[in-house]
Amino acid sequence: DTEVTQTPKHLVMGMTNKKSLKCEQHMGHRAMYWYKQKAKKPPELMFVYSYEKLSINESVPSRFSPECPNSSLLNLHLHALQPEDSALYLCASSQFPGQENYGYTFGSGTRLTVV
Amino acid sequence: ILNVEQSPQSLHVQEGDSTNFTCSFPSSNFYALHWYRWETAKSPEALFVMTLNGDEKKKGRISATLNTKEGYSYLYIKGSQPEDSATYLCAFPTGANSKLTFGKGITLSVRP
Repeated sequence: DTEVTQTPKHLVMGMTNKKSLKCEQHMGHRAMYWYKQKAKKPPELMFVYSYEKLSINESVPSRFSPECPNSSLLNLHLHALQPEDSALYLCASSQFPGQENYGYTFGSGTRLTVV
Repeated sequence: ILNVEQSPQSLHVQEGDSTNFTCSFPSSNFYALHWYRWETAKSPEALFVMTLNGDEKKKGRISATLNTKEGYSYLYIKGSQPEDSATYLCAFPTGANSKLTFGKGITLSVRP
């Protein structure tokens, strides 16, 4: 299995809803990432997990709450989002944290719309 | 502040044309330079990870070169095909714990 799987592919949620995005990989990668991408902009890093521990939080608002229950799974819990949070949320993994001579494997993303 | 610049922003070419893109990055504290191809509705796909000055890598009709002293990388596509239509992103890792910063990407459209 050489893929990163993200679910759901599309999500529409109200500003008072609570929802979760899920990301899964079975490649034995020990670093996992959440990126946010707005239209016509590059992906922006949100969180990095290294060996299931949060190692980078790029000053993301607390309405986004990441979780890494095990080495294969990464969740992003969403609560009280704003319409400006509408974006494509990408998950990625890489073999070893801090060894950037390896490429990342990306999922195809969750397209989130906040209404 | 780290800037990864890509040019041009978009490119429209005819099938069979060859094309090249530029990625500029800070030349100090270089570790690696990544190139990704991102087709619409798909996942970004790693094309190359380049680490050595003077490196040249090739994958089919696509190749890339790296100049770490002057801080740029070129991506070449020989004989573009419609299936090459995608956004091509370069990315530069900074700091500890794998922080990868992306350029804005170059959108290539190949007309049959």
